[in-house]
Amino acid sequence: GAGVSQSPSNKVTEKGKDVELRCDPISGHTALYWYRQSLGQGLEFLIYFQGNSAPDKSGLPSDRFSAERTGGSVSTLTIQRTQQEDSAVYLCASSLPDSGWGYGYTFGSGTRLTVV
Amino acid sequence: KQEVTQIPAALSVPEGENLVLNCSFTDSAIYNLQWFRQDPGKGLTSLLLIQSSQREQTSGRLNASLDKSSGRSTLYIAASQPGDSATYLCAVRLFGNYGQNFVFGPGTRLSVLP
Repeated sequence: GAGVSQSPSNKVTEKGKDVELRCDPISGHTALYWYRQSLGQGLEFLIYFQGNSAPDKSGLPSDRFSAERTGGSVSTLTIQRTQQEDSAVYLCASSLPDSGWGYGYTFGSGTRLTVV
Repeated sequence: KQEVTQIPAALSVPEGENLVLNCSFTDSAIYNLQWFRQDPGKGLTSLLLIQSSQREQTSGRLNASLDKSSGRSTLYIAASQPGDSATYLCAVRLFGNYGQNFVFGPGTRLSVLP
């Protein structure tokens, strides 16, 4: 697609429920990143995909968080047994990989997750 | 370890003023530097991307410069408007393909008063 698409744009869920957040990157962008941003805070790195592989999961805050990517395209971030501290804006970005030319990032508009 | 800082943290100006936002990074071994705008609760919108071999980029009322040797970039906004109010972040891209090869600054929150 023309841009990075994230859905849903807003999600309100009850504590303890599971949620799935979706990211559809720009076509051809093999690198995909998930971040989250709590209110008034900076970007917190969660996970990085290169193709369907996730060589860097170091930012996932707990084993309740998981992500997958299929077909080198769409990625899904799943949060199990949501807690109130999971409330944040979840941002996805995609990029062409480093191949000797520094490509930039393109971000989606984010998913605002509220756990009540 | 690459660190990115931005000064000032917040800025409030009257409409029509020209202003400069500053970004500093500690390691000059970067591929590029990118300026973003973020509206509250929203994603990041890319404004300008400067490759390490470039000195500046311009888009409309925005001009970004890069001095890699001194580890500094500035974003110049001409004739500011209330619609420019947002948080502005800079990010440097490091060499290699890994998760944290983009390092973000904390942002400057800009308010342009009508």
